[in-house]
Amino acid sequence: AQSVTQLGSHVSVSEGALVLLRCNYSSSVPPYLFWYVQYPNQGLQLLLKYTSAATLVKGINGFEAEFKKSETSFHLTKPSAHMSDAAEYFCAVKKSSGNTGKLIFGQGTTLQVKP
Amino acid sequence: DAGVIQSPRHEVTEMGQEVTLRCKPISGHDYLFWYRQTMMRGLELLIYFNNNVPIDDSGMPEDRFSAKMPNASFSTLKIQPSEPRDSAVYFCASRRGTSVTDTQYFGPGTRLTVL
Repeated sequence: AQSVTQLGSHVSVSEGALVLLRCNYSSSVPPYLFWYVQYPNQGLQLLLKYTSAATLVKGINGFEAEFKKSETSFHLTKPSAHMSDAAEYFCAVKKSSGNTGKLIFGQGTTLQVKP
Repeated sequence: DAGVIQSPRHEVTEMGQEVTLRCKPISGHDYLFWYRQTMMRGLELLIYFNNNVPIDDSGMPEDRFSAKMPNASFSTLKIQPSEPRDSAVYFCASRRGTSVTDTQYFGPGTRLTVL
């Protein structure tokens, strides 16, 4: 069965500092991986997704993530944090075989950005 | 496009009352998902539909929960009778099913409080 583990439920960085949010996955078949962001009192929106085309994926708002099969990881990074990046971030996995709808989400990581 | 529409945005009810949450997916999307988000359990998939047919309801917590999709533009999630532990934010999401990597688009959520 597919699953994702997000390491660290809270991450705090200073404005301008590197953002690193960790996600490790478990999957018996090649996975598709996603990062979603949730701003306060809003629904989730897609930041980026890995669909096996390229291991380094660029998303919106300057975020990117690298798929590392050897480490079963899909960590999210951004070189320089902005105050507007403060939100909750979710990693998610989906099986690549069969057109099932199910995304399996991690527990989420709350990103705090300090001035 | 207006995106996924959910109503009401907030619902406060008393234990034992029936609660109905509503969702209008994005036009042309043939997958619809209901999620529940709580601090304790994170984001859980309750049920999803494809072409108005329930595909996987294994996440529905118990018989008090039911979901319907009478047509392609409307779905309901009903809780009867409601209990305080049902308090959560309920999200609806939709996706066009042409590719397994197509993005799920989330609504703004309904915040349910059961007293």
